[in-house]
Amino acid sequence: RKEVEQDPGPFNVPEGATVAFNCTYSNSASQSFFWYRQDCRKEPKLLMSVYSSGNEDGRFTAQLNRASQYISLLIRDSKLSDSATYLCVVNRKAAGNKLTFGGGTRVLVKP
Amino acid sequence: NAGVMQNPRHLVRRRGQEARLRCSPMKGHSHVYWYRQLPEEGLKFMVYLQKENIIDESGMPKERFSAEFPKEGPSILRIQQVVRGDSAAYFCASSPRDSPMNTEAFFGQGTRLTVV
Repeated sequence: RKEVEQDPGPFNVPEGATVAFNCTYSNSASQSFFWYRQDCRKEPKLLMSVYSSGNEDGRFTAQLNRASQYISLLIRDSKLSDSATYLCVVNRKAAGNKLTFGGGTRVLVKP
Repeated sequence: NAGVMQNPRHLVRRRGQEARLRCSPMKGHSHVYWYRQLPEEGLKFMVYLQKENIIDESGMPKERFSAEFPKEGPSILRIQQVVRGDSAAYFCASSPRDSPMNTEAFFGQGTRLTVV
């Protein structure tokens, strides 16, 4: 089983709609969680960290469910520019601080 | 205030040649990570280095691949006797020294290696 798993998609989303997707992680000792965004053939960039209480940044909301070992990302009022691959990232101190990436969820926002 | 710098951006090698990929971390960062991304796939961890030390190389293939991060100069990922399956994008990331757990890593623009 992969340490971090994501639905690869694509999620086809009408402009203005809401889309949400999850990421599951297998190691209960995971301590830090992030969502990164990667545009086609570009480097990943941090979208947001995920805090235990959940957090929101504009149209983006991230949630953490430790009991079920998943994190989620919700995008409201989708824009065409939100089309990208969203990477779930997990960090464990015992793993030496290395970031472990999921395979990514592809989102396509269409007019 | 340059970000993570990788060079070259594109590298073409014939089968059997050596590839050297360079990564200069952000100023003040002493942790470097190398990831490989095959076409249409996610990022796969290769190696984690601090200055002059390899901390975790659990993702490195056993043969032909090596990495270093000397006291002076960039981190180098070296691939000897390249094969077509080595064709991929190689990303380097850096994070600050003694970073708390929730500090992000910053990525370079990657080196796209093509083996012909």
